[in-house]
Amino acid sequence: AQSVTQPDIHITVSEGASLELRCNYSYGATPYLFWYVQSPGQGLQLLLKYFSGDTLVQGIKGFEAEFKRSQSSFNLRKPSVHWSDAAEYFCAVMGGNEKLTFGTGTRLTIIP
Amino acid sequence: DTEVTQTPKHLVMGMTNKKSLKCEQHMGHRAMYWYKQKAKKPPELMFVYSYEKLSINESVPSRFSPECPNSSLLNLHLHALQPEDSALYLCASSRRGTSGSTYEQYFGPGTRLTVT
Repeated sequence: AQSVTQPDIHITVSEGASLELRCNYSYGATPYLFWYVQSPGQGLQLLLKYFSGDTLVQGIKGFEAEFKRSQSSFNLRKPSVHWSDAAEYFCAVMGGNEKLTFGTGTRLTIIP
Repeated sequence: DTEVTQTPKHLVMGMTNKKSLKCEQHMGHRAMYWYKQKAKKPPELMFVYSYEKLSINESVPSRFSPECPNSSLLNLHLHALQPEDSALYLCASSRRGTSGSTYEQYFGPGTRLTVT
């Protein structure tokens, strides 16, 4: 069975600063990996996905993520955050059973 | 267009009521999902429909009854719920490949359910 760990429950960054959210997965084969963002009381929006190929993937809103097989990681990055990026971020993995397994989420707070 | 719509946005129901949640997508997706999300927790999968047939039931209590009347619609019928069933209910959909392969899921905004 697959699993995802997001080690940081809450991160605070200043507006304009760079951001990296950590994600580690556990799965025996090459996984499908995703990052979703959720604003309070809202649904989940897909930021980006990795299925295969180039290990650096670009997403919406200026986000990117890098798949590192050797570290079982799929960290999310953004060079300069905006106040509107404040939200809950979920990393997710899908294995061969088509089930999407989410990490526990990282809450991002932006300070002016 | 990657829009999944859900109605109602909010629902308050008593423990003896019967109500339904509705989800709709017009992206031609042939897989649809129900998730339950409690406050400050990640979504938890409840049901998966593939080509309008129930393919996964994550041991959900029978007071939750899913229905997929056509390829665009997914319903969740609710009956005799408990207060602990109060949560955000999310619907999602995804493409299906010809070999049954699965793609990324697109989520709706959710229905906030309160059981009194």
